[in-house]
Amino acid sequence: DTGVSQNPRHKITKRGQNVTFRCDPISEHNRLYWYRQTLGQGPEFLTYFQNEAQLEKSRLLSDRFSAERPKGSFSTLEIQRTEQGDSAMYLCASSPGTGVGNTIYFGEGSWLTVV
Amino acid sequence: GIQVEQSPPDLILQEGANSTLRCNFSDSVNNLQWFHQNPWGQLINLFYIPSGTKQNGRLSATTVATERYSLLYISSSQTTDSGVYFCAGFQGGSEKLVFGKGTKLTVNP
Repeated sequence: DTGVSQNPRHKITKRGQNVTFRCDPISEHNRLYWYRQTLGQGPEFLTYFQNEAQLEKSRLLSDRFSAERPKGSFSTLEIQRTEQGDSAMYLCASSPGTGVGNTIYFGEGSWLTVV
Repeated sequence: GIQVEQSPPDLILQEGANSTLRCNFSDSVNNLQWFHQNPWGQLINLFYIPSGTKQNGRLSATTVATERYSLLYISSSQTTDSGVYFCAGFQGGSEKLVFGKGTKLTVNP
């Protein structure tokens, strides 16, 4: 069990550029989540996958954001035409199980700074 | 309204002291979890505690679901306990975890 892995850990980009983050969940975890956290706040839910199916999306996930989990394993989160307000830490998490409510394991996060 | 509310927002302790962190949650939130976020941003799951009491070393947690609150106890605190403690619950039977704003704990040597 190597834990949830996220890449890159830090990204500085110019406003208007596109960025992509990758998440590798814990092996055999069928649930994968993306959250966003800004300074001084708790994480905010963005989206959730059960295997390859994207089952929930927050209204925070504007049309500039897209997430995929093509083979039910790793996931990518792409932000197009970045804005300064996108600067935050993007957290990926995974969990096992099929029922509602399970222990969730977070990665170390990917810090995004838009300049 | 506020779905998950934590208190106190900040807590400063001397090493060796005990502390209690509180989390109140609304009817729409359940299956509480406690997390510790270290200074580097890593969120560690401490307890999955929808109800009852669990203990892990110097940490223990109690959730009274009928009264919509949970408590995290830290005994004999150490400097490595510093960081932000979050409680979070699933919203309305969905997979969306709703977090409180956290309690920032500083343990001084």
